[in-house]
Amino acid sequence: GDSVTQMEGPVTLSEEAFLTINCTYTATGYPSLFWYVQYPGEGLQLLLKATKADDKGSNKGFEATYRKETTSFHLEKGSVQVSDSAVYFCALNDYKLSFGAGTTVTVRA
Amino acid sequence: GAVVSQHPSRVICKSGTSVKIECRSLDFQATTMFWYRQFPKQSLMLMATSNEGSKATYEQGVEKDKFLINHASLTLSTLTVTSAHPEDSSFYICSASSSGGRSYEQYFGPGTRLTVT
Repeated sequence: GDSVTQMEGPVTLSEEAFLTINCTYTATGYPSLFWYVQYPGEGLQLLLKATKADDKGSNKGFEATYRKETTSFHLEKGSVQVSDSAVYFCALNDYKLSFGAGTTVTVRA
Repeated sequence: GAVVSQHPSRVICKSGTSVKIECRSLDFQATTMFWYRQFPKQSLMLMATSNEGSKATYEQGVEKDKFLINHASLTLSTLTVTSAHPEDSSFYICSASSSGGRSYEQYFGPGTRLTVT
């Protein structure tokens, strides 16, 4: 079945550091790919998405490119802020959302 | 746009009682709503999918008689945890979608923290 594997955390960074969270997927079809962010005690917010191969999703300085050849959708941000501290989930949608395990990111001032 | 609300945000109930959680799409019509459960420091586990006016489809291992789902309108779905026990304590999150298909987007509610004492 469909599945998502993402980099295990926790990840701790200093402000203005570069962030990468790896995400790979397994799917039988051609899914859409998503990154969601969850702040403490809250639900999920869509961060960005890509619906087909080579699409790049971007939002709030975060980017991810749908790579069909490597079945990956790695999340990157060039300069993180303390406010980026959260749990990040990679997900694929092939009629049903499948989530990765989540990566906790802590950014220190 | 695309706001989903949940009520209550937190609830504490005694073992053996039932508790109802509401999920509402505030500015769009949700043909499909989803209910997830999240354990501490873990990912979301899909419990069931509900389409307006029809019975919910439960994921394997989810007791449909314990977790009653009703999707009576295009803006409201409810999850009732019947005869709750401490092991049902969890964070329950709903999401809503206005269409189906591989590229559709789910909009998530803020979650409900259930504690069963």
